[in-house]
Amino acid sequence: SQTIHQWPATLVQPVGSPLSLECTVEGTSNPNLYWYRQAAGRGLQLLFYSVGIGQISSEVPQNLSASRPQDRQFILSSKKLLLSDSGFYLCAWSVQAGVNTGELFFGEGSRLTVL
Amino acid sequence: GQQVMQIPQYQHVQEGEDFTTYCNSSTTLSNIQWYKQRPGGHPVFLIQLVKSGEVKKQKRLTFQFGEAKKNSSLHITATQTTDVGTYFCAGRKNTGGFKTIFGAGTRLFVKA
Repeated sequence: SQTIHQWPATLVQPVGSPLSLECTVEGTSNPNLYWYRQAAGRGLQLLFYSVGIGQISSEVPQNLSASRPQDRQFILSSKKLLLSDSGFYLCAWSVQAGVNTGELFFGEGSRLTVL
Repeated sequence: GQQVMQIPQYQHVQEGEDFTTYCNSSTTLSNIQWYKQRPGGHPVFLIQLVKSGEVKKQKRLTFQFGEAKKNSSLHITATQTTDVGTYFCAGRKNTGGFKTIFGAGTRLFVKA
């Protein structure tokens, strides 16, 4: 069966420090991968999505970046965090099945607090 | 850009009352999905609707996709305390692509 792992689960970082969140998927090949951010009590904002190794699409301008060095690995990074980067970051995957891709499977999330 | 609007933002109900959340897109959608997020948890997929006018049921939950494929609704009959959480709709544009855009969600509170 497919599983998705995301870490760390919680982190507190000072403003200006770097960030690296990692996500891996097991049990499937060539998935679509996504990074979402959820501000407290708010909806899910799509940050990045990827349809293959090295292929990253960015949805909003920001000081975050994403990379996909391997088929089932998705990394969210920042060189210098801002206070506004605080939030709940969710990695997700879906099957690549043409235009009507299926459901999203979410990781447990990483709660980031920038002080 | 594509937007998916969802109302209401919050809903307080007495256990046993019905609940409905509405989703509206500025553009035609290829499909609409619904997710539930329990407090402190991550979103979990409930259902996907693809066809115009489609209606699907899961026990006390009824999902509808509008004829124009621009709006959708989730109705819960006789809410229970286990229904507590945030319900999100999520849509994808009719022109393809692989990104799923979420509504802001409706947070449901159920009082026993």
